[in-house]
Amino acid sequence: QVQLQESGPGLLKPSETLSLTCAVSGDSLSSSIYYWGWIRQPPGKGLEWIGTIFYSGSTYYSPSLKSRVTMSIDTSKNQFSLRLTSVTATDTAMYFCARQFWFGEKRLDPWGQGALVTVSS
Amino acid sequence: QSVLTQPPSASGTPGQTVTISCSGSSSNIGNNYVYWYQQVPGTAPKVLIYRNSQRPSGVPDRFSGSKSGTSASLAITGLRSEDEADYHCATWDESLGGHVIFGGGTKLTVL
Repeated sequence: QVQLQESGPGLLKPSETLSLTCAVSGDSLSSSIYYWGWIRQPPGKGLEWIGTIFYSGSTYYSPSLKSRVTMSIDTSKNQFSLRLTSVTATDTAMYFCARQFWFGEKRLDPWGQGALVTVSS
Repeated sequence: QSVLTQPPSASGTPGQTVTISCSGSSSNIGNNYVYWYQQVPGTAPKVLIYRNSQRPSGVPDRFSGSKSGTSASLAITGLRSEDEADYHCATWDESLGGHVIFGGGTKLTVL
């Protein structure tokens, strides 16, 4: 059974950099079948896809966040990470990681439980 | 403002059938699969429908998905109290290099 677990600081100040890690168990990030993605959800709002990364380091990012986002992957630790620079209050959200099917479809399954990140001075 | 349009709310009584719509365009729904995610408050979303109409194992056949042109729908028959949740549609959008897009979500209330 594949499980994902997000971790990282829960409180940031404006202009700081958000850094989150997703640890994966039950599947290998070296798999050539899946990408590994990040999604966020501001309080009381809908879901927003941030981007996704392949074991090779290939990435796809949301056009609206592309200038501030960097994703990386460490297959030796079986984890992948998200960096979002210059955060503001609008980046306050629950951040989820998920396994992303890629070749033939783009399903996100399963998801981690989420990590709440609050940006406040 | 989401690229995919969903009604913000829907409701029904136990046993009824409820349908939730998701409207897009030719660059997204029109040429790509649609996915539906169910999110019970306080929990992570889980996939309910993939490839427009396929159900993962464990999802009851009361849930069904369909797609026509640039729109998709999720139907829930025999509504149950445990179906009260937020439902999100999603698809791939081919513009700007390609990215996943979500609808704004529909909050389903079981009266």
